[in-house]
Amino acid sequence: AQKVTQAQTEISVVEKEDVTLDCVYETRDTTYYLFWYKQPPSGELVFLIRRNSFDEQNEISGRYSWNFQKSTSSFNFTITASQVVDSAVYFCALRNAGNMLTFGGGTRLMVKP
Amino acid sequence: DAGVTQSPTHLIKTRGQQVTLRCSPKSGHDTVSWYQQALGQGPQFIFQYYEEEERQRGNFPDRFSGHQFPNYSSELNVNALLLGDSALYLCASSPGGRIRAYEQYFGPGTRLTVT
Repeated sequence: AQKVTQAQTEISVVEKEDVTLDCVYETRDTTYYLFWYKQPPSGELVFLIRRNSFDEQNEISGRYSWNFQKSTSSFNFTITASQVVDSAVYFCALRNAGNMLTFGGGTRLMVKP
Repeated sequence: DAGVTQSPTHLIKTRGQQVTLRCSPKSGHDTVSWYQQALGQGPQFIFQYYEEEERQRGNFPDRFSGHQFPNYSSELNVNALLLGDSALYLCASSPGGRIRAYEQYFGPGTRLTVT
């Protein structure tokens, strides 16, 4: 069985603050893929990043960065200099031997002006 | 290039009725997955279709069934609706069949309300 835990249910920050969203996963597979999705109020899940279990290199894309640590089974997401448009629900997800995505419960991020 | 489309956008049904939701995958994608997202929760995997067959299924009862057509579009059918079936139903598509490396792209969802 696999599991994804996002312990932070809701986070509120003021614009321009940095914020980190935590994700911890459980799986018995040695090969797996981790994802982050953003869900704005419109409801559509927007793909942000994919990382496979063999690649622990951190990644930066503009104001977004991801820290994958296999030793702690974590895949954390940091937004630098947050903006109001970043307000959304963010989901971490795991995909292993099967083709199904297992999602965490999501973290609602509110960025206030 | 059109993304994943779903219809209808919203739907209201009565307990015991049956419903059919539709999904057209992103151009070039041949695999369709369906998810149920209850309010305030993460999406839960229902099943996945590839080559017109159900390839994997999550922990959902047989009341949930599906179909994939030769053009890769898909339908989700739910029979004997329960109040607990009220949720946002998301369709996702991906290329590459069983190759699990590819990310799934999601449609806007169908909001189903059962009264």
